[in-house]
Amino acid sequence: KQEVTQIPAALSVPEGENLVLNCSFTDSAIYNLQWFRQDPGKGLTSLLLIQSSQREQTSGRLNASLDKSSGRSTLYIAASQPGDSATYLCAVWTSGTYKYIFGTGTRLKVLA
Amino acid sequence: SQTIHQWPATLVQPVGSPLSLECTVEGTSNPNLYWYRQAAGRGLQLLFYSVGIGQISSEVPQNLSASRPQDRQFILSSKKLLLSDSGFYLCAWSTGQGNYGYTFGSGTRLTVV
Repeated sequence: KQEVTQIPAALSVPEGENLVLNCSFTDSAIYNLQWFRQDPGKGLTSLLLIQSSQREQTSGRLNASLDKSSGRSTLYIAASQPGDSATYLCAVWTSGTYKYIFGTGTRLKVLA
Repeated sequence: SQTIHQWPATLVQPVGSPLSLECTVEGTSNPNLYWYRQAAGRGLQLLFYSVGIGQISSEVPQNLSASRPQDRQFILSSKKLLLSDSGFYLCAWSTGQGNYGYTFGSGTRLTVV
């Protein structure tokens, strides 16, 4: 059974810092991995989708990497801004299934 | 392009009343459809998913049911709401193997009083 863990659960950093959010999963037989952002009281917004054949994806200040063999993904946020404050969730689609398994999220606060 | 609609945005219902939340997808055919619930301060809990009309898989036994009367319509229902049904309900869709990931609706905040 796939299990997805995100560390740290919460993170508070000053504006301008580069930061890394971690996601680990137990079953490496995945189709893809997706990173989401959730603002308080809002729905989930997709940030990046990495297919199993890819090593990384980039969008603006965001870069997500995938290492299937070690069961890990990282989300790198460059030059963090207060507007980046949100909860970040990773989700894994395991081969042979029809759904994503979500981590519990990292709650990020960027201080001005 | 594909869009997903979910309504209502907020709902306050008394205990014991019925519930019907609707989700529709446009711009695609035969999507996988999902209902999630997020209780206050908690993670996402998958309630139901459907890979085709009339095909419903339940993840957690509870006071809710789901139906898919049309290809791009997914309905979450309850005959009698409980206080514990309060939460943020999210609908999502994907292609068959999740090739393009999930796209979520904007959610329904349900408060049972």
